Amino acid sequence: DTGVSQDPRHKITKRGQNVTFRCDPISEHNRLYWYRQTLGQGPEFLTYFQNEAQLEKSRLLSDRFSAERPKGSFSTLEIQRTEQGDSAMYLCASSLLAGSNTGELFFGEGSRLTVL
Amino acid sequence: TQLLEQSPQFLSIQEGENLTVYCNSSSVFSSLQWYRQEPGEGPVLLVTVVTGGEVKKLKRLTFQFGDARKDSSLHITAAQPGDTGLYLCAGGMKTSYDKVIFGPGTSLSVIP
Repeated sequence: DTGVSQDPRHKITKRGQNVTFRCDPISEHNRLYWYRQTLGQGPEFLTYFQNEAQLEKSRLLSDRFSAERPKGSFSTLEIQRTEQGDSAMYLCASSLLAGSNTGELFFGEGSRLTVL
Repeated sequence: TQLLEQSPQFLSIQEGENLTVYCNSSSVFSSLQWYRQEPGEGPVLLVTVVTGGEVKKLKRLTFQFGDARKDSSLHITAAQPGDTGLYLCAGGMKTSYDKVIFGPGTSLSVIP
């Protein structure tokens, strides 16, 4: 399978704990995005990378959230001191940016976080 | 502030009816995409439009990009139950390295 993979698919944690999600994009894709989605809503932009460089982090995102893409391949999203409001589906997507064409975003199946 | 707005938010129609979903913004986008998402899965691309005024057809689906590249519409002819899902528009922001942002979605239910 050469699609986008995310791990874990489901995570249940207690408030105050740290969680980390991993995303393995399609290998030749240079762009990687993280989004957060709640039921019935569109994906909310969190952050994105071009190769290993983090281009932007949403201003709505608190300092408890951090993401890395150390070698321009896989990425991790860490949430520290989780709160109940962090409960959501965390989606990763990758694309091949060519010129000014954003290219198709290929999504993983998501990591669902439940904070008790 | 939502940069991309979609209307309607919810739509429930009978099989065979036609429908149009709208995506609007005050920002100019380098490209605009439409995705469809089913429960428990990630969004899947339907189409990308790049040129102002562009119209693309995909079987019973017709997509249009506004002349000013700020808005788009999706028209479905003779809707079928298999069209049920969350329809999302997404724009590449020229002012932000073509970052892709999504609208809030239109949830479509086609009743047999």
